[in-house]
Amino acid sequence: DIVMTQSPDSLAVSLGERATINCKSRQSVLHSSNNKNYLAWYQQKPGQPPKLLIYWASTRESGVPDRFSGSGSGTDFTLTISSLRPEDVAVYYCQQYYGTPLFTFGPGTKVDIK
Amino acid sequence: QVQLLQWGAGLLKPSETLSLTCVVYGGSFSGYYWSWIRQPPGKGLEWVGEINHSGSTNYNPSLESRVTISVDTSGKVFSLRMSSVTAADTAVYYCARVELAKNVFDYWGQGTPVTVSS
Repeated sequence: DIVMTQSPDSLAVSLGERATINCKSRQSVLHSSNNKNYLAWYQQKPGQPPKLLIYWASTRESGVPDRFSGSGSGTDFTLTISSLRPEDVAVYYCQQYYGTPLFTFGPGTKVDIK
Repeated sequence: QVQLLQWGAGLLKPSETLSLTCVVYGGSFSGYYWSWIRQPPGKGLEWVGEINHSGSTNYNPSLESRVTISVDTSGKVFSLRMSSVTAADTAVYYCARVELAKNVFDYWGQGTPVTVSS
């Protein structure tokens, strides 16, 4: 299995400040066929299903504010919220598509306001 | 606009069979895979399996022996059955669309809480 880890488990950031979440895969999720990293980020608020934010490690889904950005390649990835807003309080998950099982998620990082 | 509406029994006894259904409104049904994902209380997300319009399936190996996902393309409906449930299967179950070019879940159902308790 491709195991995903995330750090930190939780973080508290002041409004307007930067939040950084890390995701690591036990093996590379870079597909050699098209040179794309199949790594996505989701935001989940209480009582709601997850919402897709980022795919291919760094491409924002349509309608996602540009304060959300993704970076990284291979096994190490980062989600950055450049200027935290109250509506960004949520749990954030990374997700890979590569091996067996086809899809696995990280354990999640909870973002709160300091 | 694509919408997924799901329903099913929310309270089961150990050893019973979980049965959930998801109907897709709007958009195309073919050209995508359709997945089930679950989330135990206070925990993270686990992919259960997926199916396409022609009935081709992929399952999480950890659940494969107990899971069947089926499709009814006439009504843009797909379903999940999980046999011999235990308390460990207590979770919110989501249906979701798999966007194949990106291999991500871009539309989700509202979630169905399922509790297994004697």
